[in-house]
Amino acid sequence: GAVVSQHPSWVICKSGTSVKIECRSLDFQATTMFWYRQFPKQSLMLMATSNEGSKATYEQGVEKDKFLINHASLTLSTLTVTSAHPEDSSFYICSAWDGYSNQPQHFGDGTRLSIL
Amino acid sequence: QKEVEQNSGPLSVPEGAIASLNCTYSDRGSQSFFWYRQYSGKSPELIMFIYSNGDKEDGRFTAQLNKASQYVSLLIRDSQPSDSATYLCAVDTGNQFYFGTGTSLTVIP
Repeated sequence: GAVVSQHPSWVICKSGTSVKIECRSLDFQATTMFWYRQFPKQSLMLMATSNEGSKATYEQGVEKDKFLINHASLTLSTLTVTSAHPEDSSFYICSAWDGYSNQPQHFGDGTRLSIL
Repeated sequence: QKEVEQNSGPLSVPEGAIASLNCTYSDRGSQSFFWYRQYSGKSPELIMFIYSNGDKEDGRFTAQLNKASQYVSLLIRDSQPSDSATYLCAVDTGNQFYFGTGTSLTVIP
């Protein structure tokens, strides 16, 4: 099956640090990548949708200047959490989609971000 | 009205029983339907997908789709404690994916 690699899997850093998370589709070309955030015992929350070569589309309430998304190739998207603060601590998950109808999103393993 | 709705549960079934998970969607033009399983602290993993009306079976899992009634369900036969997880329903409308909030399933040994 399709494989999506996401790393790092766990990050602990100080408040004010910027953190970059990578999401790679290893065996297919991902026209679209999605970034989600999930707080403990809550459902997935879509943060943004990115299409290769285009600016990401952010969901309402998600600060685009704080969560920088780059999707420069068909196999790589990055999410940078700029000047992270403790309230940004969460489980961040990416998924990738090849753009064809009837195809599912394939999820990475997620990144657990803890800001001290 | 949300695009995809699921009963949040929790749903508890005894080991060996059939677990039935339901999902309704609002966009009649929706084309593809997916069930994901998410264990606590892990990311979702795809279990089943279905595109056509009727049933689709894969091992102990059966997905059922009724486009006229706009619902899709997942049956898990011979439920095992390892099936305890949150099950997410996802719908592709052709323009966008929508996820339900998930149903928490606990299989009691």
